[in-house]
Amino acid sequence: DAKTTQPPSMDCAEGRAANLPCNHSTISGNEYVYWYRQIHSQGPQYIIHGLKNNETNEMASLIITEDRKSSTLILPHATLRDTAVYYCIVRGGTSYGKLTFGQGTILTVHP
Amino acid sequence: ETGVTQSPTHLIKTRGQQVTLRCSSQSGHNTVSWYQQALGQGPQFIFQYYREEENGRGNFPPRFSGLQFPNYSSELNVNALELDDSALYLCASSLDGGRYNSPLHFGNGTRLTVT
Repeated sequence: DAKTTQPPSMDCAEGRAANLPCNHSTISGNEYVYWYRQIHSQGPQYIIHGLKNNETNEMASLIITEDRKSSTLILPHATLRDTAVYYCIVRGGTSYGKLTFGQGTILTVHP
Repeated sequence: ETGVTQSPTHLIKTRGQQVTLRCSSQSGHNTVSWYQQALGQGPQFIFQYYREEENGRGNFPPRFSGLQFPNYSSELNVNALELDDSALYLCASSLDGGRYNSPLHFGNGTRLTVT
């Protein structure tokens, strides 16, 4: 699986957009970009995934650059409940699609 | 739609003992995978079951074993427990052997403490 690089921590004001970056310069053509988040003592929560096109759902938007070497997860109106560890994962490379988690980004949303 | 449920939520065992953790997959999902999360670390892949067969395994010793049942629920068994096995054990379900476009959905885990 391709390696990802994320900033260790980020801050965001409540009500503002949170933009979380991720670098995945060695991504292969059939590998997907996934985002999960984990709130303390809970299991990881699926947010969104994409291959090459930008994606949007009720939780977030995913912007993938044209060369697919980086992506940004956008939480349009962050709330205090969005405070969590956010993991960017490149999924592929095996026949069974395991997820390889890194250290993630600790997002803290301030009042 | 029923999500992934795991039992028990917490467990305390003694070194050398054996433990069984249980997982019910999300409705409609036929693939179950297990992850171990040590304190302060990201989850690490243990293995995955699809159609009652193990179809992928991470870097864990054979004393970590599993089962998947016809109703797609699953068990994780750990023999000869060691102190380093203390962790949050997460179960995730998905579709069709883990195809890349099918998200994994996680339960809230079992917190295992080995003393």
